[in-house]
Amino acid sequence: GQNIDQPTEMTATEGAIVQINCTYQTSGFNGLFWYQQHAGEAPTFLSYNVLDGLEEKGRFSSFLSRSKGYSYLLLKELQMKDSASYLCAVEDSNYQLIWGAGTKLIIKP
Amino acid sequence: DAEITQSPRHKITETGRQVTLACHQTWNHNNMFWYRQDLGHGLRLIHYSYGVQDTNKGEVSDGYSVSRSNTEDLPLTLESAASSQTSVYFCASSRGTGGHEQYFGPGTRLTVT
Repeated sequence: GQNIDQPTEMTATEGAIVQINCTYQTSGFNGLFWYQQHAGEAPTFLSYNVLDGLEEKGRFSSFLSRSKGYSYLLLKELQMKDSASYLCAVEDSNYQLIWGAGTKLIIKP
Repeated sequence: DAEITQSPRHKITETGRQVTLACHQTWNHNNMFWYRQDLGHGLRLIHYSYGVQDTNKGEVSDGYSVSRSNTEDLPLTLESAASSQTSVYFCASSRGTGGHEQYFGPGTRLTVT
């Protein structure tokens, strides 16, 4: 079967750094996406990785290891507005997105 | 600005009724998707379309249908609503597959009583 695992909830402090992990087992791999979803709102795109390594975009970075079936999203200089759920999704061999259940990130002052 | 909209935003209906949720995008995207989102689950794909007159079943398509008569719209119909279909429904569109991000509508919260 296809499976995407993420921690259910994480807590971090404003100004700190947090790493959200995602492991996957899917039928094929055509890339991995990270989305942000604030409570009651739609998911919005953060990043896309298809090759191994780190992609940096401002305060957010995403890492991929295809051989390990592993990715992480790194958020630096945390702000209160970063309180949200972070969704990991893998594009499988049929180009369908398989979604994790999301990690709820709580930022404390 | 291009956008993707959904209507209604909230809907309460009774078991057994037919319900249609609208999705309209002005991105001129070929690909459109319907997902449901429930607590403890990831987004689950209901139906998707890669172009006009093209529709395909997703992971959880039972009890749902879609039609694609133009590029902009992909309405989702619940043929006979069931309490298990109480959920938040998201429509999304993308320019293509293979790394193209999906743009999501604001969602429709459907309650079946």
